[in-house]
Amino acid sequence: AQSVAQPEDQVNVAEGNPLTVKCTYSVSGNPYLFWYVQYPNRGLQFLLKYITGDNLVKGSYGFEAEFNKSQTSFHLKKPSALVSDSALYFCAVRDMQAGNNRKLIWGLGTSLAVNP
Amino acid sequence: EAGVTQFPSHSVIEKGQTVTLRCDPISGHDNLYWYRRVMGKEIKFLLHFVKESKQDESGMPNNRFLAERTGGTYSTLKVQPAELEDSGVYFCASSQDIWGLAGGPSYNEQFFGPGTRLTVL
Repeated sequence: AQSVAQPEDQVNVAEGNPLTVKCTYSVSGNPYLFWYVQYPNRGLQFLLKYITGDNLVKGSYGFEAEFNKSQTSFHLKKPSALVSDSALYFCAVRDMQAGNNRKLIWGLGTSLAVNP
Repeated sequence: EAGVTQFPSHSVIEKGQTVTLRCDPISGHDNLYWYRRVMGKEIKFLLHFVKESKQDESGMPNNRFLAERTGGTYSTLKVQPAELEDSGVYFCASSQDIWGLAGGPSYNEQFFGPGTRLTVL
């Protein structure tokens, strides 16, 4: 079965330190991978995606993610965390089981807390 | 460019009542999706419209849920009658395919609305 795992419910990091939010996936074929962020009382905002090409993808707000096919991972990273990065982060993968499928399969989310 | 909007932002109803959620996608987006997040669980796909047609409704929980997209613009999701387990946040998203020279659409990211928090008492 296709799935996404975010192994950490919560990540705590000090402001200015690098941050990593982990994501692993299980899909058939080449994955289409996404990261979204949800700030308090807001909707989901698109951060970045990997569909093909360079394994290191750069996105909004200084975030980047590295696609690792052998480890089936797509970890989200930022070199220097800001307090304003504190939010709920979701990893998602496109469901590849059916031909023209566009639905996303989601992880449970990781709450990121950046401490001043 | 206006984003995806959803109405209402919150709805509290009693079991057995009917609720209708509305989603206005980004203008010009043919693809419209509904998702639901029940507290503590993952976001789950409900269905996908392409213009006014239901492309995929494999995630609809049961026949108490009815989604429409008349005219291919806004969409409504009706729950009738509502049950306690229907409580959660309902997200709407839209996206637009871009047809490239190689033929076939590219897969573009989905843009989400703020969600409707539904509480069934």
